[in-house]
Amino acid sequence: DQQVKQNSPSLSVQEGRISILNCDYTNSMFDYFLWYKKYPAEGPTFLISISSIKDKNEDGRFTVFLNKSAKHLSLHIVPSQPGDSAVYFCAASAQTGANNLFFGTGTRLTVIP
Amino acid sequence: NAGVTQTPKFRVLKTGQSMTLLCAQDMNHEYMYWYRQDPGMGLRLIHYSVGEGTTAKGEVPDGYNVSRLKKQNFLLGLESAAPSQTSVYFCASTRGGGPSTDTQYFGPGTRLTVL
Repeated sequence: DQQVKQNSPSLSVQEGRISILNCDYTNSMFDYFLWYKKYPAEGPTFLISISSIKDKNEDGRFTVFLNKSAKHLSLHIVPSQPGDSAVYFCAASAQTGANNLFFGTGTRLTVIP
Repeated sequence: NAGVTQTPKFRVLKTGQSMTLLCAQDMNHEYMYWYRQDPGMGLRLIHYSVGEGTTAKGEVPDGYNVSRLKKQNFLLGLESAAPSQTSVYFCASTRGGGPSTDTQYFGPGTRLTVL
């Protein structure tokens, strides 16, 4: 049973526009959330994270928003660039420092030049 | 500095055969992890290690064994491969804590097919 869900398998966005990737979770014990980016034939790369004590975290063009009441988080990329084309995974942890992450199935983002 | 490397990149096995996947990291990291990724599913943790000589079970450990005899290496073994173990396997490491406290670095993956 998927505890972390990414319901959009793919997303296409024009270069320069905003990309919004969504993630939902079911386990109310999750308290730390991460986004990873994956290019073909490479392993995932950590992108940005957020603790449940915050509702927003920003790093350059990337911002993650957390809505605990809705059990929903989103990743915003502004402006989108062709190099952002990749698969994006969200992941969640039930305890700070825990070793088990629960991953979503991924969303493939294509940024059209 | 190669980061996290995995050997082999691809492998085809017959049901019942055994093999070992090797993960190596040159970052002097304490923690190492093995994940599998199946189509339509997220990555799932198989086993992990918090230091040389230690191993622990993750979410989906059945059918796998691991060893961490040297700090830089983490081996994943399949004693008797089954078609259900067809997957892409990723190794990862962190400096000294779980992925919610330390950046997790992944290898490029091993694509395993069991016929």
